[in-house]
Amino acid sequence: GQNIDQPTEMTATEGAIVQINCTYQTSGFNGLFWYQQHAGEAPTFLSYNVLDGLEEKGRFSSFLSRSKGYSYLLLKELQMKDSASYLCAVGDLGNKLTFGTGTQLKVEL
Amino acid sequence: DTEVTQTPKHLVMGMTNKKSLKCEQHMGHRAMYWYKQKAKKPPELMFVYSYEKLSINESVPSRFSPECPNSSLLNLHLHALQPEDSALYLCASSQDTVGYYNEQFFGPGTRLTVL
Repeated sequence: GQNIDQPTEMTATEGAIVQINCTYQTSGFNGLFWYQQHAGEAPTFLSYNVLDGLEEKGRFSSFLSRSKGYSYLLLKELQMKDSASYLCAVGDLGNKLTFGTGTQLKVEL
Repeated sequence: DTEVTQTPKHLVMGMTNKKSLKCEQHMGHRAMYWYKQKAKKPPELMFVYSYEKLSINESVPSRFSPECPNSSLLNLHLHALQPEDSALYLCASSQDTVGYYNEQFFGPGTRLTVL
């Protein structure tokens, strides 16, 4: 099975940078996904890492270290609309996703 | 078309009712998924269909019955549900279940209330 940990809540200021960490222990690994979910809406795909290193996509970047079982999502130039839950998910060889409990990010003025 | 659609958006049913949730995608994806999400919790996988065949059933009670009529459609038939089954039911699809870069795209969900 999978065991995934991420902080429950974070608060940051508009325009700032925030890093959301995720650690995992897995019995089968086929990549790590980050999703954004606004309240009452469906999760939206943000990023995927299967190799070690940094993947950059606009204001969002995601990092993976497989040897450490560690990933982070970096959000730059924070906007109010970035207030949401951020879900770290590990995929196994059958593309079954196991989600962490999510990090509720609140962006303040 | 890069959307996954789900109907209905909201559903209220009694414990003796029979209803169905529907999901559709036209991205040519060959894998489709059902998830259940309770408030303030992450999505939990229920079923996976790969090439129209059920490949994963996460020990879901038989009162939930999935069906994949073709590669674009996925149904979830509901019968004799319990109040604790009230949740947001999410459908997702991905290119495949093997290999890399099979990110899952989620539909908007059906919010189900069982009375």
